[in-house]
Amino acid sequence: ETGVTQSPTHLIKTRGQQVTLRCSSQSGHNTVSWYQQALGQGPQFIFQYYREEENGRGNFPPRFSGLQFPNYSSELNVNALELDDSALYLCASSLLTGGADGYTFGSGTRLTVV
Amino acid sequence: EDKVVQSPLSLVVHEGDTVTLNCSYEVTNFRSLLWYKQEKKAPTFLFMLTSSGIEKKSGRLSSILDKKELFSILNITATQTGDSAVYLCAVGVVGSNYKLTFGKGTLLTVNP
Repeated sequence: ETGVTQSPTHLIKTRGQQVTLRCSSQSGHNTVSWYQQALGQGPQFIFQYYREEENGRGNFPPRFSGLQFPNYSSELNVNALELDDSALYLCASSLLTGGADGYTFGSGTRLTVV
Repeated sequence: EDKVVQSPLSLVVHEGDTVTLNCSYEVTNFRSLLWYKQEKKAPTFLFMLTSSGIEKKSGRLSSILDKKELFSILNITATQTGDSAVYLCAVGVVGSNYKLTFGKGTLLTVNP
């Protein structure tokens, strides 16, 4: 079990609905990154948060948004869900000044949109 | 656009076999290449490579990077059923604050 906790583990939503996924960082980590992993694909970078501000964004539409809280935990919000949003959503915490080998992934939230 | 390609996409071997997984990349401002093992959900870190020609080893696993030919290999010797997993290759670039670009992964199945 990693030091990064994600909730919920599974979720089923209807097309058009909104969803919030949560991530608690590993102790001491100040940066959170979110990835989307569709079935049979590698994870794709959504965005990263550092000190409560977005610190980089991948090729995802604005209906994907996030928050980081003072305790470094984070939320990923997706509005107007589409069927293609069905995927495993992974959160990774790290130190901004640390190396990429310091990434710690959570176990993910499996989102199914029907 | 940064690109990472892994091959093969899937592989079935018997316990005791040796396997070689491949990862090629096309990125601007390369910083590092990482290998992860994904068994169920959370990818777990295996290696980070930044310099060409220096092999990294951990038990039966080893990896090496060729920055001239833009590829890396991950070797697993004396495979065990517990090695069955998806192996992911990812590349980090300078200035991206550790955004990683992943390949699709190689699904390794080790049969007893």
